[in-house]
Amino acid sequence: GESVGLHLPTLSVQEGDNSIINCAYSNSASDYFIWYKQESGKGPQFIIDIRSNMDKRQGQRVTVLLNKTVKHLSLQIAATQPGDSAVYFCAGVLSGGSYIPTFGRGTSLIVHP
Amino acid sequence: DGGITQSPKYLFRKEGQNVTLSCEQNLNHDAMYWYRQDPGQGLRLIYYSQIVNDFQKGDIAEGYSVSREKKESFPLTVTSAQKNPTAFYLCASTPTGEGNQPQHFGDGTRLSIL
Repeated sequence: GESVGLHLPTLSVQEGDNSIINCAYSNSASDYFIWYKQESGKGPQFIIDIRSNMDKRQGQRVTVLLNKTVKHLSLQIAATQPGDSAVYFCAGVLSGGSYIPTFGRGTSLIVHP
Repeated sequence: DGGITQSPKYLFRKEGQNVTLSCEQNLNHDAMYWYRQDPGQGLRLIYYSQIVNDFQKGDIAEGYSVSREKKESFPLTVTSAQKNPTAFYLCASTPTGEGNQPQHFGDGTRLSIL
């Protein structure tokens, strides 16, 4: 199976700083990864995804890096804003078979003005 | 706008009572999922359905039941056999047959015991 976990439960940053949220996965057969943002009392929102044939993918103010050698991915948020305060989850999907993502426990990002 | 609607937002259950959580999507997605979220935990899969009239148990299906009579709807019943039902329940959907795509989530139902 697959297990996905995050390195830190809480990350506190100052507004304007860059934030890095890390995630490790256990199954090398995982070939698709997703980052979600969840605000209090709401459902997770898709931020960015990456497939295993890529090392890096950029979006608006966000970058995901994938290191398949050490089975690690990270989410980088540039110029973090108070509105970025939320819980961030990574999820991994095994190749083949049913589409069943495995979610990490989440990192709470706190942005101080 | 297309999306997933979960209702109610808050739900209270009495001892020995079954309660049903609604999930409706107008995204024309084939696959639908139910997750349970406890404080400080990741999402745990309860049930999923990849096509109408078919569904499979997830990791924590005991004490729950589902049906998938229509593509748009995937209700979850929390039965009296679920002894610790207090949690945040999330419904999700995803298209199939188009390669991997991220799941779309509803805004959840918070269930508490009276």
